[in-house]
Amino acid sequence: GQQVKQSSPSLTVQEGGISILNCDYENDMFDYFAWYKKYPDNSPTLLISVRSNVDKREDGRLTVFLNKSGKHFSLHITASQPEDTAVYLCAAGPNSGGSNAKLTFGKGTKLSVKS
Amino acid sequence: GPKVLQIPSHQIIDMGQMVTLNCDPVSNHLYFYWYKQILGQQMEFLVNFYNGKVMEKSKLFKDQFSVERPDGSYFTLKIQPTALEDSAVYFCASSLNSQNTLYFGAGTRLSVL
Repeated sequence: GQQVKQSSPSLTVQEGGISILNCDYENDMFDYFAWYKKYPDNSPTLLISVRSNVDKREDGRLTVFLNKSGKHFSLHITASQPEDTAVYLCAAGPNSGGSNAKLTFGKGTKLSVKS
Repeated sequence: GPKVLQIPSHQIIDMGQMVTLNCDPVSNHLYFYWYKQILGQQMEFLVNFYNGKVMEKSKLFKDQFSVERPDGSYFTLKIQPTALEDSAVYFCASSLNSQNTLYFGAGTRLSVL
């Protein structure tokens, strides 16, 4: 089964609002959690990531919340703008020997910010 | 920011033929990866490569697949022979070390007819 799930394939938000993107995972061994942004026909680009020793990380308009007991993490985008319109991919990986590279991705949530 | 280049963006090949997908990673990076995304599905890890060797591979990395980076040039994924189920977008990535950010290319869409 899918080890990393994004239950909402799409989300529409008004400009200026908060976009909340959710991700659930199954593997207890996951230690690294990330959000990537992808425009059509473009490369996935890392937005923000956390390790399991923190439950929240902020970077400008972006905040990642990690709930390890619930196996859930989310991305909040405040003051959403039309240029935030993209597909957002969540990813998780194990801390096996220091490698975060064997990432497991969700299918993505397409965020549309309407002005 | 750092760029990983994958050219061409689309390759069409007849089933049973050999195909080589090319990736130009970020110049000082040492770790290299391939991910596969079938239409409508998530990106899935195929393989990672360091110091001339495959470090880890998934069940999707079939015997028909091979990777190499000869003389520090392109990092390549070769499929020989191709099968219909190999049709997918293949994303290359590189990182400076095993704990660093992965930088992805835009992908090569492989269509096996």
